[in-house]
Amino acid sequence: GAVVSQHPSWVICKSGTSVKIECRSLDFQATTMFWYRQFPKQSLMLMATSNEGSKATYEQGVEKDKFLINHASLTLSTLTVTSAHPEDSSFYICSASRHSGNTEAFFGQGTRLTVV
Amino acid sequence: GENVEQHPSTLSVQEGDSAVIKCTYSDSASNYFPWYKQELGKRPQLIIDIRSNVGEKKDQRIAVTLNKTAKHFSLHITETQPEDSAVYFCAATQGAQKLVFGQGTRLTINP
Repeated sequence: GAVVSQHPSWVICKSGTSVKIECRSLDFQATTMFWYRQFPKQSLMLMATSNEGSKATYEQGVEKDKFLINHASLTLSTLTVTSAHPEDSSFYICSASRHSGNTEAFFGQGTRLTVV
Repeated sequence: GENVEQHPSTLSVQEGDSAVIKCTYSDSASNYFPWYKQELGKRPQLIIDIRSNVGEKKDQRIAVTLNKTAKHFSLHITETQPEDSAVYFCAATQGAQKLVFGQGTRLTINP
C-alpha cells in the first residue's frame, strides 16, 4: 500500500513554544491531506483538511491561528502547534489517499506531543 | 454534518468465537465505509471497506454488511484469534476522504 510518513514520532516541548509536525506521502502525490487529533482511549477527531497550494479548511472548534497548516508541495503537509500548552498534549496523525474519491486513506505513524 | 455512532465500546470474546461491532451514520449521502484496526500507539490500519453500492463484503475471517436504508453497517470477525485484540474504528465519508470516525471498540480476545 501507499506510504505516508510522519515526523517526529514523538516530541516533548515547553509551554509557550511551537512545534512543527511533518506529513509526507512517499510514493504518491496528495493534493489533499487530513490532520486528526486523538486523545488517549478516544477516537480520531478531524482537525483540518490540508489543501495543496491553498488555505486549509478547519473543522468547527479548531483554532486556525493555533494549529497552522501548510501544504506547500504535493507530498508534504505540515502542522505547527503554536504557543503550545499542556492541554495541547495529544496524538496527532495525518492521512492521505492515493486517488481522490472513495479510496483507502493511509495514515502516518502519528506524533505524540507532550507539552510540559 | 456526518455523525457516526459505534457500539459496543468494549467487547470481550473467547478465542474462536465471533465478534460483531455495529455502527450507524446520519448522512444519507455517505457512500464509503471503512473499518480500521488500531493497536496501542500505532497508526490505524484499514482492514476492510464497503461502498454504498454493495450490501456485503468478505475477506477471509472478516466481513462487513451495510444497510443503507437503516443507515447502519457492521463488522463481523469469525474464529477470533488473540492477535485480533485491538481497538476497531468504523468511519463514514461521502467521497472527500474526510473520514468521520465512530468512538471505537476495544476488542479483547480471551485465550
